[in-house]
Amino acid sequence: NAGVTQTPKFRVLKTGQSMTLLCAQDMNHEYMYWYRQDPGMGLRLIHYSVGEGTTAKGEVPDGYNVSRLKKQNFLLGLESAAPSQTSVYFCASSFGIALSGDTQYFGPGTRLTVL
Amino acid sequence: GQQVMQIPQYQHVQEGEDFTTYCNSSTTLSNIQWYKQRPGGHPVFLIQLVKSGEVKKQKRLTFQFGEAKKNSSLHITATQTTDVGTYFCAGPKSNDYKLSFGAGTTVTVRA
Repeated sequence: NAGVTQTPKFRVLKTGQSMTLLCAQDMNHEYMYWYRQDPGMGLRLIHYSVGEGTTAKGEVPDGYNVSRLKKQNFLLGLESAAPSQTSVYFCASSFGIALSGDTQYFGPGTRLTVL
Repeated sequence: GQQVMQIPQYQHVQEGEDFTTYCNSSTTLSNIQWYKQRPGGHPVFLIQLVKSGEVKKQKRLTFQFGEAKKNSSLHITATQTTDVGTYFCAGPKSNDYKLSFGAGTTVTVRA
């Protein structure tokens, strides 16, 4: 099993450009998450999905959109990139919910720089 | 809303020494999870604590869940260079099912 994979690994954008980050998992997990990680701020949830065809906003959703057309894939889109979106983006998935004790499996991350 | 806080933010340790990092929640947690992120890597699940007062060990790492289930600690004995990284604690949000992560403790080791 590959676990959770993310593409691309690195990307440099100019302000105003758009891009899509792809996350794929082969563990048949229902729940998927997109986080961003900035120095000293830990992991902040951008959007998440509780199953195929569903999405919901997390703590910092502004400037991002997501889609989950297939259970194994979760896409994060930046329609008009801004320098404030320079960050490391992690995708994660889980079989169940945290309240039940299910843990999250993280992808390797995408390092995005917006100039 | 619920917040999970970790102290210290940075921990500089001499190789061979012990140290402890702490995690505190503003609300009672049903469970607490610990993750480790190596430099340049991604968070990897270490352990989960569920019961009040629970203590679990992984080799030189000892994890404890407080009696009130609002705090936790990670104690590392005889620190090695392989312990370098950022340690995150995370607990479920009380009103839904997502994880709330602490800001992490970044550990560096002096040889």
